[in-house]
Amino acid sequence: QVQVVESGGGVVQPGRSLRLSCAASGFPFSNHPMHWVRQAPGKGLERVAVIPHDGSNEQYADSVKGRFTISRDNSKNTAFLQMNSLRDEDTAVYFCAWGPDYYFAYWGQGTLVTVSS
Amino acid sequence: QSALTQPRSVSGSPGQSVTISCTGTSSDVGRYDYVSWYQHHPGKVPKVMIYDVSKRPSGVPDRFSGSKSGNTASLTVSGLQAEDEADYYCCSFAGGYNFVFGTGTTVTVL
Repeated sequence: QVQVVESGGGVVQPGRSLRLSCAASGFPFSNHPMHWVRQAPGKGLERVAVIPHDGSNEQYADSVKGRFTISRDNSKNTAFLQMNSLRDEDTAVYFCAWGPDYYFAYWGQGTLVTVSS
Repeated sequence: QSALTQPRSVSGSPGQSVTISCTGTSSDVGRYDYVSWYQHHPGKVPKVMIYDVSKRPSGVPDRFSGSKSGNTASLTVSGLQAEDEADYYCCSFAGGYNFVFGTGTTVTVL
């Protein structure tokens, strides 16, 4: 049974940092890219970052490029999203998601990040 | 990568059909047969309803169907039911590890 569980969200002041974790199980984690998708209040879904199965050549949405870093530890079946220089507009529910092919078959429950002074 | 364009809202009475369009470009929707659709009830986890343009995952009612023509994909919900009221997002593969979501459509059951 596939499980994806995010953690690490919370309230943080603008300019500060936060690290999200995504623990996965039930599938060959080290064989698949992992994605972070967010939804800001009243907004749509946005894929913010992806990391290939081997951790190379990660990619980012323009809105977070240079501030967010995605990484993974295949020995622990866990992906991470390091968020630096946080802004008000980064306030969102952050989902970890993956799929065996070209769609997101499995999503975590999401973790809420609130950037506020 | 710009978001795919969807109508902000569509509505229909129970039993009717509604169709949601999703317009992209020749670099995403028009280039790849990898369009997926997600149903999202507020506060819940998005659920894939259609993948690879027209395939339905196990457990998704056959009232949901997908198609594509050129740079525009479509999701049709037939026999509309109260539980279909939700936000719907299309998503297209765009090469490499790139995916782009649509702007989202709220389906209202009258």
